[in-house]
Amino acid sequence: DTGVSQNPRHKITKRGQNVTFRCDPISEHNRLYWYRQTLGQGPEFLTYFQNEAQLEKSRLLSDRFSAERPKGSFSTLEIQRTEQGDSAMYLCASSLVVYGGDTEAFFGQGTRLTVV
Amino acid sequence: KQEVTQIPAALSVPEGENLVLNCSFTDSAIYNLQWFRQDPGKGLTSLLLIQSSQREQTSGRLNASLDKSSGRSTLYIAASQPGDSATYLCAAPYNTDKLIFGTGTRLQVFP
Repeated sequence: DTGVSQNPRHKITKRGQNVTFRCDPISEHNRLYWYRQTLGQGPEFLTYFQNEAQLEKSRLLSDRFSAERPKGSFSTLEIQRTEQGDSAMYLCASSLVVYGGDTEAFFGQGTRLTVV
Repeated sequence: KQEVTQIPAALSVPEGENLVLNCSFTDSAIYNLQWFRQDPGKGLTSLLLIQSSQREQTSGRLNASLDKSSGRSTLYIAASQPGDSATYLCAAPYNTDKLIFGTGTRLQVFP
């Protein structure tokens, strides 16, 4: 297992375009998270999935953002009608949650989005 | 609501020094706390996970302590090296399992 994989690593897009990012979690991890990180700040929670079910969405996740995890494996995060304020690092993490077990989160290398 | 604060925001030290990075959190009803390392432009690397039942966790030159009653965690780095230069983030879970991060301590170790 090579860890959490994110693609693409970098994305430059024009304002108003749609972009989609992909995350492949560690196999058999049932939880998958999306975070956003801007320069000089810690990551901020966006949303998470338990298997294929999206269980929570942050208020940061406007209606232009949508995330899916169709088969409980990989996930996609789409941003429609991108704005310059969407420029950030988008991080994906996964963990294995078992009853009574600790949930160590493992992160991918992130996708750096620049909206011009 | 969980809020996480890290002190200092930045640290620059000569090689060989022992370091202390501090993390405080407001909601002490946590079951673990995690420390991460982040290199510029990269993702997060998990360093240590401390369970709420533990007080310390060690990995090589790193030692992390957790005091839930005071809402504090400390990361000790022994005999620092230039390769330790990075941003160190602590994260405490809130509500479900989502992590709340501090803004990090940016560490520079010079030869």
